[in-house]
Amino acid sequence: SQTIHQWPATLVQPVGSPLSLECTVEGTSNPNLYWYRQAAGRGLQLLFYSVGIGQISSEVPQNLSASRPQDRQFILSSKKLLLSDSGFYLCAWSRDRGYYEQYFGPGTRLTVT
Amino acid sequence: EDKVVQSPLSLVVHEGDTVTLNCSYEVTNFRSLLWYKQEKKAPTFLFMLTSSGIEKKSGRLSSILDKKELFSILNITATQTGDSAIYLCAPLDNDMRFGAGTRLTVKP
Repeated sequence: SQTIHQWPATLVQPVGSPLSLECTVEGTSNPNLYWYRQAAGRGLQLLFYSVGIGQISSEVPQNLSASRPQDRQFILSSKKLLLSDSGFYLCAWSRDRGYYEQYFGPGTRLTVT
Repeated sequence: EDKVVQSPLSLVVHEGDTVTLNCSYEVTNFRSLLWYKQEKKAPTFLFMLTSSGIEKKSGRLSSILDKKELFSILNITATQTGDSAIYLCAPLDNDMRFGAGTRLTVKP
């Protein structure tokens, strides 16, 4: 069966510091991968998706970036965090973009101070 | 612009009550609609609805889609405290477009 991992589970970082969140998927190959952010009391906002290694599409302009160095690895990064980057970050995978349900990892709660 | 509206935003009921959660949407290139349950962390998948008028059922939960009127409902019968969660609907075109969710609280 498929499993999706995210780490760290929680993170407190000062403004201006860099960020790296990692997501890995087991039990499937060539998954579609997604990064979402959920602000308090809000729905999920799609940040990035990837259909393959090195292929990243951004949904919203921001100071975050994503990379997919391996088939089942997805990384969310920032060079300098802003207060507004605080939130709950979720990674998800699906079999085929636009046709199948997505399955979510446990999430990372980021607090920028 | 895509729009997804869920109502009510929050709901408090007692165990045994039946609840109906609503989701209306405006999405170009609509393919299907998904419902998720989010407790403390990751949303967990409940249903994917593709065709109008066909009810999907899982235990005490059921859901139906109306593609003409652009809405879906999620019903939970005989609610239990374990049903307390945020319920998210997400129409799917190429990507999922999430609503803000309905926060359901079931009191003993």
